Amino acid sequence: QVQLVQSGAEVKKPGASVKVSCKASGYTFTSYSMHWVRQAPGQGLEWMGVVNPSGGTTTYAQELQGRVTMTRDTSTTTVYMELNSLRSEDTAVYYCARGRIGYSSSWYVYWGQGTLVTVSS
Amino acid sequence: EIVLTQSPGTLSLSPGERATLSCRASESVSSSYLAWYQQKPGQAPRLLIYGASSRATGIPDRFSGSGSGTDFTLTISRLEPEDFVLYYCQQYGSSRGTFGQGTRVEIK
Repeated sequence: QVQLVQSGAEVKKPGASVKVSCKASGYTFTSYSMHWVRQAPGQGLEWMGVVNPSGGTTTYAQELQGRVTMTRDTSTTTVYMELNSLRSEDTAVYYCARGRIGYSSSWYVYWGQGTLVTVSS
Repeated sequence: EIVLTQSPGTLSLSPGERATLSCRASESVSSSYLAWYQQKPGQAPRLLIYGASSRATGIPDRFSGSGSGTDFTLTISRLEPEDFVLYYCQQYGSSRGTFGQGTRVEIK
């Protein structure tokens, strides 16, 4: 069965970086894109970007350009999301979600369990 | 960027009643690429509907989606106790997918 298992919660200080992983299993890793969506406490869902595991190409939300990097490791079927220059507003649960290949947007059947990133001094 | 506006913000109903949730887009959603998700506290969203009206695998038939263009609706025909949670719409017809702000269905 398809599983997306994310790394554990993180606490970071403002200005620091965080790297969250998402290990995929149960399907052909390179046949689907991987998106990242975040949710601030008590708020809605915000799309962050997408990585194509096949070629490693990425598309990011404009407001995060320059601060976010999404990568993949095909040998371990894991994708990573790194966010730099953290601010308190980046405190959120970060989700990976499997999407359709070849498109920067998609609906999501499979989601990771979420990773809470807390930014606090 | 297509902005999705969900209404109402909160819907107060009783078990067994019919729920109608609205999602309005700031411009036409290409190919009815509109999805609905349910989110329970502390959990990831769960896909209910995609392509505006297609139920995802395992979703009960009391959930149905309709609409096209800029106006979409999620209908829950008879509310069960576990349906009193949060619902989001999402469009994926443009190069950047966007979500609505959510509708909370609460017990009256």
